[in-house]
Amino acid sequence: QKEVEQNSGPLSVPEGAIASLNCTYSDRGSQSFFWYRQYSGKSPELIMSIYSNGDKEDGRFTAQLNKASQYVSLLIRDSQPSDSATYLCAVNGEYGNKLVFGAGTILRVKS
Amino acid sequence: DGGITQSPKYLFRKEGQNVTLSCEQNLNHDAMYWYRQDPGQGLRLIYYSQIVNDFQKGDIAEGYSVSREKKESFPLTVTSAQKNPTAFYLCASTRRGGGWNEKLFFGSGTQLSVL
Repeated sequence: QKEVEQNSGPLSVPEGAIASLNCTYSDRGSQSFFWYRQYSGKSPELIMSIYSNGDKEDGRFTAQLNKASQYVSLLIRDSQPSDSATYLCAVNGEYGNKLVFGAGTILRVKS
Repeated sequence: DGGITQSPKYLFRKEGQNVTLSCEQNLNHDAMYWYRQDPGQGLRLIYYSQIVNDFQKGDIAEGYSVSREKKESFPLTVTSAQKNPTAFYLCASTRRGGGWNEKLFFGSGTQLSVL
């Protein structure tokens, strides 16, 4: 059974701080990794994708991937109250057969 | 504007009743998906279709049925066999069939509750 694990939170950070969200996965052959943001009652929206080891930056967001440790993270710099949401980690298997989602981490940014 | 339209936004089901959730996309995407989301849980795949007139079961297909008669449409029927249907249902699409590495485009979701 392929699994994607996330700390459910809530993770509380002050406005302007760095929020660090973590995700581990069980399928060592996983190739593609995604972070989705979901506001309460809304559908998820893709904010980052990463496919190779290392860091990928896009604006205030940085995704980090370590395949050896089966670990992917999302850093949000200069956190804003509008970043308060649930962040879902999704992982694609070795054969690209489907996405597996984690349960999500609730992030609260306090002004 | 291109996108995915789900309707209704809220749906109530009586015991023993079948209900159908609508999903329409005008993105010209080949693949479409149905996910179920329960509070505090991630998205779980119900059914997916990579091409018209073909679909496959996901992880939790029991109690659900789908059809894909048109590229644009992928309705989901929640049957009376689904004993715990209360959840948030999300329809999604990707440009290509088998496009699990691609960006998932989501509809706005349908909240289904049992009366």
